[in-house]
Amino acid sequence: GDSVTQMEGPVTLSEEAFLTINCTYTATGYPSLFWYVQYPGEGLQLLLKATKADDKGSNKGFEATYRKETTSFHLEKGSVQVSDSAVYFCALSSLTGGGNKLTFGTGTQLKVEL
Amino acid sequence: DTGVSQDPRHKITKRGQNVTFRCDPISEHNRLYWYRQTLGQGPEFLTYFQNEAQLEKSRLLSDRFSAERPKGSFSTLEIQRTEQGDSAMYLCASSPFGGQINYGYTFGSGTRLTVV
Repeated sequence: GDSVTQMEGPVTLSEEAFLTINCTYTATGYPSLFWYVQYPGEGLQLLLKATKADDKGSNKGFEATYRKETTSFHLEKGSVQVSDSAVYFCALSSLTGGGNKLTFGTGTQLKVEL
Repeated sequence: DTGVSQDPRHKITKRGQNVTFRCDPISEHNRLYWYRQTLGQGPEFLTYFQNEAQLEKSRLLSDRFSAERPKGSFSTLEIQRTEQGDSAMYLCASSPFGGQINYGYTFGSGTRLTVV
């Protein structure tokens, strides 16, 4: 079945540092890939998405590229801010999974310090 | 557009009691989803509706769980005879037809259930 593996956290960075959160997936066919962010006390928010190989999703300075050859969708940001502190979830949606639900990774907590 | 609303935000119940949660999706969204999130884990799919029809249920949704969306608007999730293992955050999400691939979900803030 479908699965998503994320690097474990927490990841602690200083403000303005470079961020990478690794995500790899297992799915048959060609899934769509997503990053969601969850701020404390809030629901999950869609951060970015990519629906086919080599697509790059981007939003709020975050980027991720759909790499089919390595089955990866790593999240990057060139310069993090304290306000980026949150839990980040990688997720996929595949037709073999019904196309109507998301399979999430376990989440990676990011802490950004001054 | 007030987003997806869930009620209550927190619920503490004794083992064996029944609980019911409510979700109000974004009004023009015809798809509604329920997920469960346990501590340190990502959300897991439970079920989804298109309008009033429940189209898919996860194996996680045991016979103690039932979800309804009677008029295609709000939805309820009921857990009967709660167990300590039911303690989790229950998340509701909605999307227009075409779902997350085109539009992404909009999640509510969740209902945190604690079974004591």
